[in-house]
Amino acid sequence: QQQVKQSPQSLIVQKGGISIINCAYENTAFDYFPWYQQFPGKGPALLIAIRPDVSEKKEGRFTISFNKSAKQFSLHIMDSQPGDSATYFCAAIYNTDKLIFGTGTRLQVFP
Amino acid sequence: DAGVTQSPTHLIKTRGQQVTLRCSPKSGHDTVSWYQQALGQGPQFIFQYYEEEERQRGNFPDRFSGHQFPNYSSELNVNALLLGDSALYLCASSLMEQGAFFGQGTRLTVV
Repeated sequence: QQQVKQSPQSLIVQKGGISIINCAYENTAFDYFPWYQQFPGKGPALLIAIRPDVSEKKEGRFTISFNKSAKQFSLHIMDSQPGDSATYFCAAIYNTDKLIFGTGTRLQVFP
Repeated sequence: DAGVTQSPTHLIKTRGQQVTLRCSPKSGHDTVSWYQQALGQGPQFIFQYYEEEERQRGNFPDRFSGHQFPNYSSELNVNALLLGDSALYLCASSLMEQGAFFGQGTRLTVV
């Protein structure tokens, strides 16, 4: 029940295309859903986050869509760039509890 | 703002040795969490410190211990190192409802 399932495991997108990463959760007590971007050898960087009372949040080229009834949320990267090539993790947290991470999606954006 | 800083960045230890990793949280953050990230995996929660007390703990053996100091900085200690302890160790700091911010990590190699 504590798991967060993430797909796909890897994603290849053409420059300028849309990258979509999906996550699903079981624990309805989760109240905060962040996305992290991680480059090789670096720590995860907080990209964007959403609370379950909001259906969508947009920051620049990054958008989170949240479907509370389906217990699913997704990250959309518009106009994907080669610099976006990284591993993306969705996560979920309850209150100030530990972060539960998805398994990660390796995104490669080709010019 | 220096963000979350960790030291050292890389470390090589021999099996059976002990290691101490250090973390300074982002300015104003009072909660420090430690995560272990194996190659190609998502971060796994080790434990969390708040007000110098271990608030919660993940599924890690007692060989993993920690400490938080009055200035909110923290240490992670691992005793009797095993080859399987080789990983990227991440420190994250947070403040109440805000998202967790990660340091760049310490790459520990056990030989």
